[in-house]
Amino acid sequence: DAMVIQNPRYQVTQFGKPVTLSCSQTLNHNVMYWYQQKSSQAPKLLFHYYDKDFNNEADTPDNFQSRRPNTSFCFLDIRSPGLGDAAMYLCATSRFGADLNIQYFGAGTRLSVL
Amino acid sequence: AQSVAQPEDQVNVAEGNPLTVKCTYSVSGNPYLFWYVQYPNRGLQFLLKYITGDNLVKGSYGFEAEFNKSQTSFHLKKPSALVSDSALYFCAVRDRGTGGGNKLTFGTGTQLKVEL
Repeated sequence: DAMVIQNPRYQVTQFGKPVTLSCSQTLNHNVMYWYQQKSSQAPKLLFHYYDKDFNNEADTPDNFQSRRPNTSFCFLDIRSPGLGDAAMYLCATSRFGADLNIQYFGAGTRLSVL
Repeated sequence: AQSVAQPEDQVNVAEGNPLTVKCTYSVSGNPYLFWYVQYPNRGLQFLLKYITGDNLVKGSYGFEAEFNKSQTSFHLKKPSALVSDSALYFCAVRDRGTGGGNKLTFGTGTQLKVEL
């Protein structure tokens, strides 16, 4: 089945140690998104890619970076994780054009910072 | 800026009874509205959307939502709740952000608990 896959499901890192989360999709969607969701809160958009064009939200800290080497993969890099960065990170995709408004989410990666 | 509000943090309902999860919106122009559901430790799943057309929108798993322009509401409904419907429900509005993507602004979520 076509889907959005996030790896790993759970990630533990140390304070200040860089960490990378990955997302892959088999939907061939041209837009990919990264959201941060803290406990029992609404997901908050960090940035998105439309094809290769990177679009950062104004309030996303510089500590968060992203890479999209091809259509299928997108990475979230946290350069120096702080305790406040512990959260669930959700990847989503959508297709610009028909049905462009629906976003399809992965299962998420839960990040713990020790 | 577009926004949605979910006034109830939690809704409790008995299995078999109808359920309603409330959402109100504030947008400029025509709203594009969505409902997503999130089960524990999972991503969000799309339930239904309103773009235009009939005010009653039918979605997945027997859910429907009623768009009411005069009340600026988009309440999620189901005629007969199941225990398996217990989850966190998010209302969202599309915000045409920069770039080619479609930014979703989510409400704070409503925890639905269906009891036997």
